[in-house]
Amino acid sequence: ELKVEQNPLFLSMQEGKNYTIYCNYSTTSDRLYWYRQDPGKSLESLFVLLSNGAVKQEGRLMASLDTKARLSTLHITAAVHDLSATYFCAVDEGGATNKLIFGTGTLLAVQP
Amino acid sequence: DAEITQSPRHKITETGRQVTLACHQTWNHNNMFWYRQDLGHGLRLIHYSYGVHDTNKGEVSDGYSVSRSNTEDLPLTLESAASSQTSVYFCASSGTVYTEAFFGQGTRLTVV
Repeated sequence: ELKVEQNPLFLSMQEGKNYTIYCNYSTTSDRLYWYRQDPGKSLESLFVLLSNGAVKQEGRLMASLDTKARLSTLHITAAVHDLSATYFCAVDEGGATNKLIFGTGTLLAVQP
Repeated sequence: DAEITQSPRHKITETGRQVTLACHQTWNHNNMFWYRQDLGHGLRLIHYSYGVHDTNKGEVSDGYSVSRSNTEDLPLTLESAASSQTSVYFCASSGTVYTEAFFGQGTRLTVV
């Protein structure tokens, strides 16, 4: 059974600082997704990572996937308040359809 | 533009009542999913469907059912609502394993 763990669960950081959110998963998969959720809102897709070594960047966020280590990271560079949200990683169980198993989420609070 | 919509957005119901949450997508996606979101648990998969007349149980399917009579809709029914089913419910759809799943706006259900 696929298990997905994120850490930290809560992250308070100052504007301008860098930090990394980690997503570990328990069984083989080469499809991983990152989502953002603002309070009371739906989930918004950030990154789709489909192979070992995949790296995607958008603005101050960069995501990478190491399928051998079963690890994905979401790196935040020079955080700004607008990045405050909950971030989820989701791992595809595999096979022909994308049944996603989610991590518990990381609540990011960027302080001025 | 294609979209995925859920209704109602908010609902209060009494214990023991049958409740149906609607999900409608215009992406023409074959894959549709229902998740529930609870603090500390992330999103947990309730039921999913890979096409018309196909339904499958997820990790927290007890007390819930779905049916898929067309491509666009996957209604979620709570057979006899319980207080433990108070949650925020999200519907999602996806086209292929190489793209992300798109989420509806969510339904906040309170069982009293």
